[in-house]
Amino acid sequence: KAGVTQTPRYLIKTRGQQVTLSCSPISGHRSVSWYQQTPGQGLQFLFEYFSETQRNKGNFPGRFSGRQFSNSRSEMNVSTLELGDSALYLCASSSTQGAAYEQYFGPGTRLTVT
Amino acid sequence: DQQVKQNSPSLSVQEGRISILNCDYTNSMFDYFLWYKKYPAEGPTFLISISSIKDKNEDGRFTVFLNKSAKHLSLHIVPSQPGDSAVYFCAASTPPGYALNFGKGTSLLVTP
Repeated sequence: KAGVTQTPRYLIKTRGQQVTLSCSPISGHRSVSWYQQTPGQGLQFLFEYFSETQRNKGNFPGRFSGRQFSNSRSEMNVSTLELGDSALYLCASSSTQGAAYEQYFGPGTRLTVT
Repeated sequence: DQQVKQNSPSLSVQEGRISILNCDYTNSMFDYFLWYKKYPAEGPTFLISISSIKDKNEDGRFTVFLNKSAKHLSLHIVPSQPGDSAVYFCAASTPPGYALNFGKGTSLLVTP
């Protein structure tokens, strides 16, 4: 099976702009989660979607949003970018059957805000 | 508030010896624990997991031990190989398991 794919891999944006990142889960996986990785805070949970519904959300401001489509693909959006949003954004997918807690990660999108 | 802590930022081990990576947690509601390995410019790769109803789980060279009373888990790699050099993250989740709480990672270097 193909793994989790994320596009684009690298992105440079200017403060105040908005950005949309995309994630395609492993075939058959219906749960998609997003994480932010920074040197200071490590890996932090953003939100999780299943069947187009957000089931859980981390402690991030409302500028961070996401959605999931009927084919399980997901997007996350960050509006009014700040310098502190520079990070590696990771998407993970999971099957809710069997090992429900094991999440499989994509390579990430490296976002740089200038 | 960091609920999962990996207090050793780095570890160096000789090839063939045992690598022991440690992780402590504070949330007694965690019921599932995982270890991930991460190479630069790649996403974390799932290694091994353990449910809170067990105290040990093995998969080849990797064994995870869970001590619930001490809120401590460890990952043993035996024997260590140079290809194991990577950053290792400990993660934990509470029911129903939608979000993973990660430690900040331990960088393992296995030298020939």
